[in-house]
Amino acid sequence: QVQLQESGPGLVKPSETLSLTCSVSGDSISSSCWSWIRQPPGKGLECLGYLCHPGSANYNPSLKSRITMSVDTSKSQFSLKLSSVTAADTAVYYCVRYVGAIDIWGQGTMVTVSS
Amino acid sequence: DIVLTQTPLSSPVTLGQPASISCRSSQSLLHSDGNTYLSWLHQRPGQPPRLLIYKISNRFSGVPDRISGSGAGTDFTLKISRVEVEDVGVYYCMQATQFPLTFGGGTKVEIK
Repeated sequence: QVQLQESGPGLVKPSETLSLTCSVSGDSISSSCWSWIRQPPGKGLECLGYLCHPGSANYNPSLKSRITMSVDTSKSQFSLKLSSVTAADTAVYYCVRYVGAIDIWGQGTMVTVSS
Repeated sequence: DIVLTQTPLSSPVTLGQPASISCRSSQSLLHSDGNTYLSWLHQRPGQPPRLLIYKISNRFSGVPDRISGSGAGTDFTLKISRVEVEDVGVYYCMQATQFPLTFGGGTKVEIK
């Protein structure tokens, strides 16, 4: 069965770059599309972007030029980088598989932006 | 961005009774490929969301048949025929017809 596991720092300082990695098992990272969804504490869900390998990433325009997503097929991982973070970026970050719907979710990792 | 509006915000339900959640889209979710990419998700406290329904009415693996989805165009409904304790939580509709993917604000289902 397909499993996703997020990893990365739980605390990031304002203005720095948030970096997360998602490890994929049970599926080829080249056969599906992958996305990052975040959920601020007590709030709703926001899609940050998605990518299908091979191919280019699609980013939520609300994040402007702060976001980068990439795939490492050799490690079966995909990653998220979000630069110039502020307190508004504090959220649980989920990596997910996107197949026209989001069918597989990681457990999520809480990232807090604070000095 | 496509805006999804869910009603009600909260739904207290008696065990064994039905529940219904509405999701209205700011524009048609019919994709040029003929599919309507409207799905429903369920999130229990402290857990990630899980997929219940995709493309309006298709149940995901393991979802009981007392949960169903319907609708077309801009109006969609999730129905639970007989609410059980495991159904408590927040339900979200989600559209993937147009990027960025967007979600409804959520409907909290709780037991009376």
